[in-house]
Amino acid sequence: NAGVMQNPRHLVRRRGQEARLRCSPMKGHSHVYWYRQLPEEGLKFMVYLQKENIIDESGMPKERFSAEFPKEGPSILRIQQVVRGDSAAYFCASSPRQGLAFFGQGTRLTVV
Amino acid sequence: KNEVEQSPQNLTAQEGEFITINCSYSVGISALHWLQQHPGGGIVSLFMLSSGKKKHGRLIATINIQEKHSSLHITASHPRDSAVYICAVTPGGSEKLVFGKGTKLTVNP
Repeated sequence: NAGVMQNPRHLVRRRGQEARLRCSPMKGHSHVYWYRQLPEEGLKFMVYLQKENIIDESGMPKERFSAEFPKEGPSILRIQQVVRGDSAAYFCASSPRQGLAFFGQGTRLTVV
Repeated sequence: KNEVEQSPQNLTAQEGEFITINCSYSVGISALHWLQQHPGGGIVSLFMLSSGKKKHGRLIATINIQEKHSSLHITASHPRDSAVYICAVTPGGSEKLVFGKGTKLTVNP
């Protein structure tokens, strides 16, 4: 049973481009969480999804950010028109039930 | 004030020393997690606790629900234990994790 898979591991985007971050949860896990780790800061919650539903997006910036977890395929975190302040490590975690969390290796986004 | 406070922020130890990292939180929780992050690396879940004490190898985690406090202990520390250790809580009624800022541990040979 592979762990939580995130890709790409590293992503470089120019200002104004779009960034798509993918997360494949562990087999059998229906809960997916996205967290962001800004340089020199702690991890912050962004969004919690179950299959085809956004359950809690209270940590998502109001503009340019969106997330989905379709019936088939990975969860996607999409950032439109990236700015330098979006540079961070984005971690996905999955869980079969409330409370437990298995983390991926993260995607390190650099906006140049 | 952060809902989850860790101390110390930085910790340097000699190989073989006993290490303690502390975590205090201010909200009611359903669980507390200890996580490990190596530089540039992913996050590994070490423990999930809702009461008492858990042990895995040289790592021990304890929690006191009444005092809203948890400790992570490392016995016979080794340079490969060098990492950032992060305390996180699941607030009661919530699904998301709230994180402390982490404790950077360096174990010198």
